[in-house]
Amino acid sequence: TQLLEQSPQFLSIQEGENLTVYCNSSSVFSSLQWYRQEPGEGPVLLVTVVTGGEVKKLKRLTFQFGDARKDSSLHITAAQPGDTGLYLCAGAGNAGNMLTFGGGTRLMVKP
Amino acid sequence: KAGVTQTPRYLIKTRGQQVTLSCSPISGHRSVSWYQQTPGQGLQFLFEYFSETQRNKGNFPGRFSGRQFSNSRSEMNVSTLELGDSALYLCASSPLSYTGELFFGEGSRLTVL
Repeated sequence: TQLLEQSPQFLSIQEGENLTVYCNSSSVFSSLQWYRQEPGEGPVLLVTVVTGGEVKKLKRLTFQFGDARKDSSLHITAAQPGDTGLYLCAGAGNAGNMLTFGGGTRLMVKP
Repeated sequence: KAGVTQTPRYLIKTRGQQVTLSCSPISGHRSVSWYQQTPGQGLQFLFEYFSETQRNKGNFPGRFSGRQFSNSRSEMNVSTLELGDSALYLCASSPLSYTGELFFGEGSRLTVL
């Protein structure tokens, strides 16, 4: 069974601070996705990383896939209240769109 | 382009009843997946359908079933409801299988009393 561990589970920071969320597993994934979910809505895809060592940037968000394709990180620079939400990492194996989700990181950015 | 539509959004059932949830994927998407989200277990995969065929099934009891129609719309059914089935049931569609890139609906929140 593939497991993804996310840390931290909760994060409360002030506007303008930087933060990093980690997603770790002992399993290799063919790709890894990061989603953000807001209350009352379904998760929204932020990024997909496929190649070991890959780094992708989305405005103030930087995503990295570990060299061994077992872990990933999400770094947010100068966080804003609009970044508040539940961040989920998800790994895809070789079985279609069956994703293994991490437990999520609930981020609150205070103005 | 319309997103993934799930109905109903909210429903309340009692133990022992059964429930059917519906999902209309984004036009042109042939893969439909279902996930259960609870505070304790997070998001867990239920099953995936592609071109009317169940491609994968998660580790859930046989009370959970689903199907996909020729127009890619999908339904999931839970029979003999238990209190622990209370959850947000999320449907996601994708143009292809094996991408992991899912477009989720807003979910159907089921409460079992």
